[in-house]
Amino acid sequence: GAGVSQSPSNKVTEKGKDVELRCDPISGHTALYWYRQRLGQGLEFLIYFQGNSAPDKSGLPSDRFSAERTGESVSTLTIQRTQQEDSAVYLCASSPFLGAYEQYFGPGTRLTVT
Amino acid sequence: LAKTTQPISMDSYEGQEVNITCSHNNIATNDYITWYQQFPSQGPRFIIQGYKTKVTNEVASLFIPADRKSSTLSLPRVSLSDTAVYYCLVGLYNAGNMLTFGGGTRLMVKP
Repeated sequence: GAGVSQSPSNKVTEKGKDVELRCDPISGHTALYWYRQRLGQGLEFLIYFQGNSAPDKSGLPSDRFSAERTGESVSTLTIQRTQQEDSAVYLCASSPFLGAYEQYFGPGTRLTVT
Repeated sequence: LAKTTQPISMDSYEGQEVNITCSHNNIATNDYITWYQQFPSQGPRFIIQGYKTKVTNEVASLFIPADRKSSTLSLPRVSLSDTAVYYCLVGLYNAGNMLTFGGGTRLMVKP
């Protein structure tokens, strides 16, 4: 069965450029989550969606980060004016409902800002 | 959300049983204990979840003492493919409380 997919798998960009990361959740999952994982570190929670609504954006690191979701489908995480400290793996997860203990993670997008 | 403490790393050999203990002294009454596994270059994968006593599934067992201030993930007869980072999470996960991953325990299984 189809799991969570993310694209691109790898992205190298120059400092100051904008990037858009995409997440396709498991069909029927109403909740979607974005995390960031720096090299050798644990996961840092960024934002969640219930349907296409993101009630709490306080986990986003700065106003250069934004996220959208279309209905209960695709989500995009956009980073404007990228900085070197944005380099990390960005992981997306989905779950059947918000707050489920079991979240299904995608493979991540490895972002490198040069 | 309750803070968790687990060993940074552990080594084991193929065929051995591995026990990873997580401390969560300030666990709340309604908190559940959840463990995830993460292989290199992959997203985390749910392993097991419990509230008290013992939970077992096809992958692992989770032992939780009566005071619930710690929990132990037990992996029977590990193989090289069990080399991964294991995360212990504690909390009541609902709208407002999201999964909080600490540094995890890096398990290295040797031949």
